[in-house]
Amino acid sequence: AQSVTQLDSHVSVSEGTPVLLRCNYSSSYSPSLFWYVQHPNKGLQLLLKYTSAATLVKGINGFEAEFKKSETSFHLTKPSAHMSDAAEYFCVVTYAGGTSYGKLTFGQGTILTVHP
Amino acid sequence: DSGVTQTPKHLITATGQRVTLRCSPRSGDLSVYWYQQSLDQGLQFLIQYYNGEERAKGNILERFSAQQFPDLHSELNLSSLELGDSALYFCASSVDNRNTEAFFGQGTRLTVV
Repeated sequence: AQSVTQLDSHVSVSEGTPVLLRCNYSSSYSPSLFWYVQHPNKGLQLLLKYTSAATLVKGINGFEAEFKKSETSFHLTKPSAHMSDAAEYFCVVTYAGGTSYGKLTFGQGTILTVHP
Repeated sequence: DSGVTQTPKHLITATGQRVTLRCSPRSGDLSVYWYQQSLDQGLQFLIQYYNGEERAKGNILERFSAQQFPDLHSELNLSSLELGDSALYFCASSVDNRNTEAFFGQGTRLTVV
């Protein structure tokens, strides 16, 4: 079964410092990986996606993620945090084959807090 | 705006009742997913439909059912409601049944009292 693990349930940074949210996925078939963000009382918004093209993916609001097959990781980064980045972030995986074909599996989420 | 519309936005109902949540996917999207989000369980996949047919089933209770209609909108029916069913229910849609990104609606917040 496909799975995705977000290694930190909470991350706290100061405004202007780098952000790193970590995600590992189970290795099976060809994964597609996504990061979504959810602001309080809002729906989920797609930040970026990896679908077997370039391994370094750029998303909205200055976020980017790097697909590392050898490490089965897809960590989300941003050089400089902004107060508006405070939200919950979800790493999501889906596969092109197997019994989980097409099904989106969510990580448990990482709550990002940004301090002034 | 993702293009996915969910109604109603909020719903308060009593235990034992039945409710229907509605989802209109983005124009052109054939696949619809339903998710439940609660504080203790996180985001749980419930069920997926593709072009009117059920494609994948997740942690959906027998008291819950869903369908996708010919115009591709979907409904999630929740019956014999319990306090523990209180949650945010999200619908998402994607263009196909493969590993493409899904776009989420704003959710329906269900409160069972």
